[in-house]
Amino acid sequence: GQNIDQPTEMTATEGAIVQINCTYQTSGFNGLFWYQQHAGEAPTFLSYNVLDGLEEKGRFSSFLSRSKGYSYLLLKELQMKDSASYLCAVRDPKGSYIPTFGRGTSLIVHP
Amino acid sequence: DGGITQSPKYLFRKEGQNVTLSCEQNLNHDAMYWYRQDPGQGLRLIYYSQIVNDFQKGDIAEGYSVSREKKESFPLTVTSAQKNPTAFYLCASISRDLTEAFFGQGTRLTVV
Repeated sequence: GQNIDQPTEMTATEGAIVQINCTYQTSGFNGLFWYQQHAGEAPTFLSYNVLDGLEEKGRFSSFLSRSKGYSYLLLKELQMKDSASYLCAVRDPKGSYIPTFGRGTSLIVHP
Repeated sequence: DGGITQSPKYLFRKEGQNVTLSCEQNLNHDAMYWYRQDPGQGLRLIYYSQIVNDFQKGDIAEGYSVSREKKESFPLTVTSAQKNPTAFYLCASISRDLTEAFFGQGTRLTVV
């Protein structure tokens, strides 16, 4: 089976840095995704990690440690529009490569 | 532009009715998926299809049915057997290199 854990909710201040953690326990591993989802909208792709280390894309970075079953999404220079839910998803080759999603972390950015 | 199109965006169903949600993609992706999202529950897999004329049940398939007669299309039928169908439904397809899942804009189904 698969188990993916994320904090339910986080708050941060505009301009600050926030780190959203994701831990997973899966029978296999073939990549981890991060998605952003605004209320009532579809998820949009942020990042994909399959090897250990940090991937940086502008204000967003994603880190993966396969040995620890751990990833984080780092958001810098927070803006009000970053208020959204952030979904972590893991792909397991033993599960037909289907992404399995965590429950998401609701991030609230306040002035 | 390539993408995934879901329709309708909002759908209302009476008790006991079957309804079909449309999902069409022009990305030439083989694999397509249907997820259901409820508040605080994340995305749960209903059905998936990795090739035309083949599909598999996901974690919560009861009360749902699908077909995959064409590569581009993967419609989902919510039957009267689904006891709690009110939810946000998302269709997705996976890129050929398996590095990105593309989502449609979603269909919000409400039972009235």
